[in-house]
Amino acid sequence: EVQLVESGGGIVQPGGSLRLSCAASGFTFSSYWMHWVRQDPGKGLVWVSRINNDGSGTVYADSVKGRFTISRDNAENTLYLQMNSLRAEDTAVYYCARTPIGYSNFNYWGQGTLVTVSS
Amino acid sequence: DIQMTQSPSTLSASVGDRVTVTCRASQSISSWLAWYQQKPGKAPNLLIYKASTLESGVPSRFSGSGSGTEFTLTISSLQPDDFATYYCQQYNTYPITFGQGTRLEIK
Repeated sequence: EVQLVESGGGIVQPGGSLRLSCAASGFTFSSYWMHWVRQDPGKGLVWVSRINNDGSGTVYADSVKGRFTISRDNAENTLYLQMNSLRAEDTAVYYCARTPIGYSNFNYWGQGTLVTVSS
Repeated sequence: DIQMTQSPSTLSASVGDRVTVTCRASQSISSWLAWYQQKPGKAPNLLIYKASTLESGVPSRFSGSGSGTEFTLTISSLQPDDFATYYCQQYNTYPITFGQGTRLEIK
């Protein structure tokens, strides 16, 4: 059974940093592209970033480019999102999500981890 | 960026009704469109991909159609479990973008 479990969320002050993790199991992690998607409380879904299966290629939303870094450890079956220079508007539930090989629709999601940026 | 616009934003319907949600893309996305259902406090759940292909395990009362810039999600006979929020998503071009959501509520 495919499982994605996020961790690392919490409360951080504006300008601070946080690293999210997503532990994957039930599939060959190193074969799949992975993504982060966020959702502001009570609002819609916003795609954040994607990393290819071996970590050699990444893409970011303009709103996080230069501040967030997506990475992965295929030996540990874990996806990461390093978030620096956090802003109030980064407050959201962050989901990791998997896409089928060759496509970018999200067929598996984690349960989400809440990040709150507030002084 | 490709903008995805859903209509309506809120839809009131009764059990047994046939309902349709529309999603329009600001430019052609071929058939690279997915639909998701989300319930409060839960992650989204994939219903349909490539505009009209039903994800495994999704009830057949859900269907999708369209290509280019206009797409629809239809629920043929609403069940109590279907009252939720629905999102479309384009994956033709990065950045991936979602519609703003359609909240389906009980009339």
